[in-house]
Amino acid sequence: EAQVTQNPRYLITVTGKKLTVTCSQNMNHEYMSWYRQDPGLGLRQIYYSMNVEVTDKGDVPEGYKVSRKEKRNFPLILESPSPNQTSLYFCASSFHLANEQFFGPGTRLTVL
Amino acid sequence: ILNVEQSPQSLHVQEGDSTNFTCSFPSSNFYALHWYRWETAKSPEALFVMTLNGDEKKKGRISATLNTKEGYSYLYIKGSQPEDSATYLCAFSAYGNKLVFGAGTILRVKS
Repeated sequence: EAQVTQNPRYLITVTGKKLTVTCSQNMNHEYMSWYRQDPGLGLRQIYYSMNVEVTDKGDVPEGYKVSRKEKRNFPLILESPSPNQTSLYFCASSFHLANEQFFGPGTRLTVL
Repeated sequence: ILNVEQSPQSLHVQEGDSTNFTCSFPSSNFYALHWYRWETAKSPEALFVMTLNGDEKKKGRISATLNTKEGYSYLYIKGSQPEDSATYLCAFSAYGNKLVFGAGTILRVKS
């Protein structure tokens, strides 16, 4: 089944404790992206990757890192999480932006 | 930061009503315009991706139009049903790299 998977789905952590949210797709998509969703603000792009080893900042990259060492995986790393990173996070993939994005199930992160 | 605006913010209609939403985006450096449907507790699902000025797309009772020269797209739902209740998101890409979403239009259809 074609899909985008994210893990974990839910995470409660404390300020400063490094964490990684994994994202994997099995559709051979070149473009992958991370978004965060906050009430009243819609989806905001954190980072995107147009291919392996090619990543770039979206509109809200501060406090996040990403890597794209393999085509299928695009992990999101929070080196020192802070409470303002409490949010719902989505990973998405597509061949490119002239094609529809497929979204993962979302990760709800709470930073205390 | 590119600005994508959607109107109205929310809409309450009766079953059977037809409705439409607007997405406004920058008219320069257009690459693609996406529409997604997002139900509560689920992930966004793609409705349409449009890349050419004048594009019109249709899926069942839902259709969309695109005007890249003036920077707007309309989404139409004919004969709304309760199962159409969701948030409808549009997203704009310039140059084919970033994707900028609007805040969405919340649709509630009463039976």
